[in-house]
Amino acid sequence: GAVVSQHPSWVICKSGTSVKIECRSLDFQATTMFWYRQFPKQSLMLMATSNEGSKATYEQGVEKDKFLINHASLTLSTLTVTSAHPEDSSFYICSAISELANYNEQFFGPGTRLTVL
Amino acid sequence: DAKTTQPNSMESNEEEPVHLPCNHSTISGTDYIHWYRQLPSQGPEYVIHGLTSNVNNRMASLAIAEDRKSSTLILHRATLRDAAVYYCILRGYNQGGKLIFGQGTELSVKP
Repeated sequence: GAVVSQHPSWVICKSGTSVKIECRSLDFQATTMFWYRQFPKQSLMLMATSNEGSKATYEQGVEKDKFLINHASLTLSTLTVTSAHPEDSSFYICSAISELANYNEQFFGPGTRLTVL
Repeated sequence: DAKTTQPNSMESNEEEPVHLPCNHSTISGTDYIHWYRQLPSQGPEYVIHGLTSNVNNRMASLAIAEDRKSSTLILHRATLRDAAVYYCILRGYNQGGKLIFGQGTELSVKP
């Protein structure tokens, strides 16, 4: 199956700093990428949908100015957590789909664990 | 978004079949039924999907009720590596691939 990578796999930062997480589709062009967050023992929560070359569509309740998403190419999307606080500590997961595959299978990255001190 | 209902947890013995149920009574005619699973500390992975007919692949089988209001994911011979949270998700035909995850079923497999 297709491979999606995330970098970094984990990050620890101080409160008030910004953190950038990269999501790459390694062997296919992703027309759409998604960003999720997951708290311990909970399900994935969709944060936003990102299409290459256009602004991301955020789910209700997700702060656009806090979670900046850029999808500059068909193989790269980035999520920047701005002015991070301890409550932003979570497992962030991206996924990618290809329109050519008729959206039948979404390929997920391994996740990035963010800890804000 | 149409919702799904799954048991919170299930137990299975290794090398025995496992039937994971999912109720989706509000499913619309164009909703696809998708199953993903998530191993601990990893991103989810695709298992199988279907629309109306039963489906088989190398990982599992998907049995869809005739009225489409429920479905069952079947793992034919559970292994310890199958211990994961299994998510049953309805994907709308015109939603551009968007998936809304429910709580899923945590499957434990005993040796």
